[in-house]
Amino acid sequence: DSGVTQTPKHLITATGQRVTLRCSPRSGDLSVYWYQQSLDQGLQFLIQYYNGEERAKGNILERFSAQQFPDLHSELNLSSLELGDSALYFCASSATRVSIWETQYFGPGTRLLVL
Amino acid sequence: AQRVTQPEKLLSVFKGAPVELKCNYSYSGSPELFWYVQYSRQRLQLLLRHISRESIKGFTADLNKGETSFHLKKPFAQEEDSAMYYCARTPMDTGRRALTFGSGTRLQVQP
Repeated sequence: DSGVTQTPKHLITATGQRVTLRCSPRSGDLSVYWYQQSLDQGLQFLIQYYNGEERAKGNILERFSAQQFPDLHSELNLSSLELGDSALYFCASSATRVSIWETQYFGPGTRLLVL
Repeated sequence: AQRVTQPEKLLSVFKGAPVELKCNYSYSGSPELFWYVQYSRQRLQLLLRHISRESIKGFTADLNKGETSFHLKKPFAQEEDSAMYYCARTPMDTGRRALTFGSGTRLQVQP
């Protein structure tokens, strides 16, 4: 157990809907990363937050957004869902001090199925 | 663009045989390279990283800058090594350390 938690574990919804995925980082970790794992695109970086602020963006669609709250948990919001958004969404958190020794610890993921 | 290539989707070996999982990366500055492992129904876990030069569970990986490769090796495979293995890279830039993953290789170790 890495100490990173994600809820819910599974989510089934319909096209056009909006969902929110939640991630709680390891105690004290300031950085949260979101990744999407799908059959056709593999594991892709979406977005990073550090201490409440957006730090880096990857292949994140405009329909998707994220935020990190003062208690450091993060939420990934997915809207106007399409069938192709079905995937496993991971979050990862990393050490309190950014350094080249920073290690990302992954959560168990949220499996999203859009019908 | 940063790329990581794992040419094999599946590698099947017998227990006790040597294993080599291939990983090549596109040259872009001085990246840091990692191997992550995902056992069945478990989360991604860091296996090893090139800057620490350590051996975990008998696995080693050497960074070859000339060939831009970071192949994962183990001299004698065990059944419990069966898992998905992902090679990944990140820039050395502290603070922006998003991982770029390869497509993964499934290792099956048969008894």
